[in-house]
Amino acid sequence: DAGVTQSPTHLIKTRGQQVTLRCSPISGHKSVSWYQQVLGQGPQFIFQYYEKEERGRGNFPDRFSARQFPNYSSELNVNALLLGDSALYLCASSLQGHWPQHFGDGTRLSIL
Amino acid sequence: EDKVVQSPLSLVVHEGDTVTLNCSYEVTNFRSLLWYKQEKKAPTFLFMLTSSGIEKKSGRLSSILDKKELSSILNITATQTGDSAIYLCAVAPINTGTASKLTFGTGTRLQVTL
Repeated sequence: DAGVTQSPTHLIKTRGQQVTLRCSPISGHKSVSWYQQVLGQGPQFIFQYYEKEERGRGNFPDRFSARQFPNYSSELNVNALLLGDSALYLCASSLQGHWPQHFGDGTRLSIL
Repeated sequence: EDKVVQSPLSLVVHEGDTVTLNCSYEVTNFRSLLWYKQEKKAPTFLFMLTSSGIEKKSGRLSSILDKKELSSILNITATQTGDSAIYLCAVAPINTGTASKLTFGTGTRLQVTL
């Protein structure tokens, strides 16, 4: 079975631009969570979606938004990019209410 | 706010050594503690420890949860170069509503040399 897949793998943007990252969960998983991992730190929770609804939000500004589609895939959008948004963005899926979460390989976002 | 602290931050050992990684936590409504291994990209799941399962073992890796001390250790015996990675500890709260949030520590970077 395919694991969590994310696209693109790498992305380079400039300050002020907008970016969309994509995630497809493991088949049968309806819960998708997004994490930001800055170099040298552990992943930090951004959002969790289940059944197309936001179920949890971390301490991130409103420039960050996300949505989940009927097939349970998800997109993370970041507007007005800042240098500090440079990070590895990880998507994780799970059966709702169950652990563990399984992670994709992430999207490496670099802001110039 | 939930908090996870890992130690040491980094560690260099020789192949064949035994290592112990530490994780302590403060979390409201604790449900489980998870260990992940991150080599280059995706954190891969190792163990999950809960109040009903405080000790896990898989091959050369084992982990124990100390509910009284709010901590956990991850042991790796007879280390190999393939064990070189960042080891992440995370805690999961009891699902309130439907939120599923992991709080991670900063990780321990393990390097195993020949």
